Amino acid sequence: GEDVEQSLFLSVREGDSSVINCTYTDSSSTYLYWYKQEPGAGLQLLTYIFSNMDMKQDQRLTVLLNKKDKHLSLRIADTQTGDSAIYFCAERPNAGNMLTFGGGTRLMVKP
Amino acid sequence: EAGVAQSPRYKIIEKRQSVAFWCNPISGHATLYWYQQILGQGPKLLIQFQNNGVVDDSQLPKDRFSAERLKGVDSTLKIQPAKLEDSAVYLCASSLVAQAVRGEQYFGPGTRLTVT
Repeated sequence: GEDVEQSLFLSVREGDSSVINCTYTDSSSTYLYWYKQEPGAGLQLLTYIFSNMDMKQDQRLTVLLNKKDKHLSLRIADTQTGDSAIYFCAERPNAGNMLTFGGGTRLMVKP
Repeated sequence: EAGVAQSPRYKIIEKRQSVAFWCNPISGHATLYWYQQILGQGPKLLIQFQNNGVVDDSQLPKDRFSAERLKGVDSTLKIQPAKLEDSAVYLCASSLVAQAVRGEQYFGPGTRLTVT
């Protein structure tokens, strides 16, 4: 079955770049997503990448996809205290709309 | 545009009691999802509806969990009887169509259930 793995915790200083990593197992995944979850809130879609791309940039966010290694990363440039949250990567296979989520990475931004 | 609404936001019950959660998706969204998010884990899909029909309920513990979306809009998720391991946040999400190009799902704030 599908499995998505993330590191549990990342701490950075305000203004630095953050890189959150994710590995997945389903080679048939067509879309890969990054969601942000703030305390007491639902998940907010940040960005996504289609499997035929290897990079996508959206303002301060850069997504890198290495299909060979099944590795996905999210880089946040100029990290702010408001970026403190839990970040989830998720994959969606070609068939169906079911998302498989990783366990989440808690990002702490220190002033 | 109003987001996905869920109620209640918090619920505390004793084991073996029953509980129900309500979700109102974004207007016009045909697909509705219920997820279970146990503390420290990512959300896990319980059930997916397309209008008022079930698309996928393979991970729903059907001996105690049930869900319905009778008129293809609002949905309720019920647990009867609850167990300690059901303590989690129950998230509802909706999307415009099931197989959208981006498959973007919009999430509600969730209902935090504590079973004592």
